[in-house]
Amino acid sequence: QSALTQPASVSGSPGQSITISCTGTSSDVGSYNLVSWYQQHPGKAPKLMIYEVSKRPSGVSNRFSGSKSGNTASLTISGLQAEDEADYYCCSYAGSRRVFGTGTKVTVL
Amino acid sequence: EVQLVESGGGLVQPGRSLRLSCAASGFTFDDYAMHWVRQAPGKGLEWVSGISWNSGSIGYADSVKGRFTISRDNAKNSLYLQMNSLRAEDTALYYCAKVDKFLGGAFDIWGQGTMVTVSS
Repeated sequence: QSALTQPASVSGSPGQSITISCTGTSSDVGSYNLVSWYQQHPGKAPKLMIYEVSKRPSGVSNRFSGSKSGNTASLTISGLQAEDEADYYCCSYAGSRRVFGTGTKVTVL
Repeated sequence: EVQLVESGGGLVQPGRSLRLSCAASGFTFDDYAMHWVRQAPGKGLEWVSGISWNSGSIGYADSVKGRFTISRDNAKNSLYLQMNSLRAEDTALYYCAKVDKFLGGAFDIWGQGTMVTVSS
């Protein structure tokens, strides 16, 4: 049960767009359109940002978008804002279990 | 207000046991699957275990299989995690999380977590 692979850090200036990748295998990301993304600020619980690869829950800004190609899912944050600085985790359904990504620290320069 | 409140964490010696609880409120508990997710200090999220609404389907991460047992009491709106044979590497903040089947099984509600420290 290996974690999904994410870049350790991604940074961008306010207003720019950034993309975080999440690479799994044909047993998880590649087999199901059930990838979700979570934002976590320091000392806080994770917050759901994207579900089913590309859908946004009510209340989540449309600056957040998701996609998937093969075994790799991606989260794009457009119009980067200071409040987007946080850790981001992908998560994939994998049959009877779930698997999280290694996490990406987003820094707003 | 939809809320999950974890309890039961603390300092425990290696090899001992601990039982975590998660009290749910603000939603129909027995309509939803529930999971435990943990986060070691300064580390990422790790899925631990999940249980279906009626306890008919249960899964565990390989790292805890055979040592941890997930259960729920729908009459008490509560989720549990019995942790036996604890190891130093089980030290983490343990979150309970609600799954919404209408959101592709994503974790839409999280508690604030309860800290478990395994140390002699």
